[in-house]
Amino acid sequence: AQSVTQLDSQVPVFEEAPVELRCNYSSSVSVYLFWYVQYPNQGLQLLLKYLSGSTLVKGINGFEAEFNKSQTSFHLRKPSVHISDTAEYFCAVSWDGATNKLIFGTGTLLAVQP
Amino acid sequence: EAQVTQNPRYLITVTGKKLTVTCSQNMNHEYMSWYRQDPGLGLRQIYYSMNVEVTDKGDVPEGYKVSRKEKRNFPLILESPSPNQTSLYFCASRRRQEYTDTQYFGPGTRLTVL
Repeated sequence: AQSVTQLDSQVPVFEEAPVELRCNYSSSVSVYLFWYVQYPNQGLQLLLKYLSGSTLVKGINGFEAEFNKSQTSFHLRKPSVHISDTAEYFCAVSWDGATNKLIFGTGTLLAVQP
Repeated sequence: EAQVTQNPRYLITVTGKKLTVTCSQNMNHEYMSWYRQDPGLGLRQIYYSMNVEVTDKGDVPEGYKVSRKEKRNFPLILESPSPNQTSLYFCASRRRQEYTDTQYFGPGTRLTVL
């Protein structure tokens, strides 16, 4: 069965510092990976996704993620965060044959401090 | 503007009083889904629908019902709500054939069952 692990429930960081949000997955088949962001009192929106090809994926708002098949990871990074990046970030996985299934991690709250 | 709308956004009710949360999308998407979000558990799928009159259970369907009589609408029905259904609920939609495609989420409905 497929699963997603986000070990960090909360990541505090100062404004303009770099950040990495960790995501590891478990799967016996090839997967597709997503990062969604949830701003306070809003729904989720897609940050970026990896389907195939280049393992470095760039998304909106200056975020990027790298797919590492050997380490089964898809960590999200940003070189310099802003206060407005404060939100909850969810990693999710899908796969061929899943049709309707999108498995989410438990989320990481990124708390950017001035 | 492409969007998924949910109503109500906030609801406080009592145990056993039937309620319906509406969901509507204006993107002509075939696929729609309901999730619940709970602290430490991430998002879990309740029900999904591949098209009109086609629905199926997700991971946590107990205590919920859905219907899909029209393409744009996918209401979530709690016939006898219980306190363990207190949660944040999200509706989502995407094109049916593109399961790696972006899911668009509604703004969420925060339900409290007393």
